[in-house]
Amino acid sequence: AQSVTQPDIHITVSEGASLELRCNYSYGATPYLFWYVQSPGQGLQLLLKYFSGDTLVQGIKGFEAEFKRSQSSFNLRKPSVHWSDAAEYFCAVAPEGNQFYFGTGTSLTVIP
Amino acid sequence: ETGVTQTPRHLVMGMTNKKSLKCEQHLGHNAMYWYKQSAKKPLELMFVYNFKEQTENNSVPSRFSPECPNSSHLFLHLHTLQPEDSALYLCASSQDATRGYGYTFGSGTRLTVV
Repeated sequence: AQSVTQPDIHITVSEGASLELRCNYSYGATPYLFWYVQSPGQGLQLLLKYFSGDTLVQGIKGFEAEFKRSQSSFNLRKPSVHWSDAAEYFCAVAPEGNQFYFGTGTSLTVIP
Repeated sequence: ETGVTQTPRHLVMGMTNKKSLKCEQHLGHNAMYWYKQSAKKPLELMFVYNFKEQTENNSVPSRFSPECPNSSHLFLHLHTLQPEDSALYLCASSQDATRGYGYTFGSGTRLTVV
C-alpha cells in the first residue's frame, strides 16, 4: 500500500537558521510529489510540486525541495527561516489516478 | 482568501441534529473534494466530484452525504453524527481530478459534535 512518512512530528528552529523537513514515500514508481503548508485556522496552501525533470524544485516563500529516487525522499528545505514560517507542513504524493496521500504533518516552531 | 470559501467556519451540533457544510469556488475548477482532518492523523479523503459526478467515496459512513449541484458548489450534509466525527473538514478544488494538478484548499469548517 502507498504511504507517506514524515518522521518528525515537531521541529523547533531559530529564526535565520536553515530548515529541512523530511518526507519519505512508499511506491514502486515515481509519483507526483507535493508540499503544503497550513497556518493555524487555515486550509492548506501549495508550496511546490514535482512531476519530472530537474530534481531540485523551487517553490513559493523561498522554499525548495529535492527529489531523491534512490531514497524515495522529497525533503523540503529553506536556507533561512522567518518567524512567519511557523506552521504545519504536509507532504503529499499522488501515485496515480486522482488519489492523493498525505503525511501526518510536521509542526514547525520558530524561536527568536 | 484562497479562492475556495467554506461556511460556516465553526459548527457545534448535537448528535441528533442535521446540518450542512458549504464549499464554493470561482476558480473555474472542475473537481472538488471533501477531506477530514483529525489531530495527528493524515488527511482522509472522503469524496471526489469530477465534472459534477461523484468518482470517489472512500467508505464514508452514510451519515455524511455529499451534494454537488454544479462545478462551483459542494455541500456535505450531516445527520446523526458521533463525537468521533469532530474534526476539521476541508474542501479543495483542482482543475480536474487527475494527479497532475495540485489542490486549492479552503480554510475549513471546525466541527464539534456534542
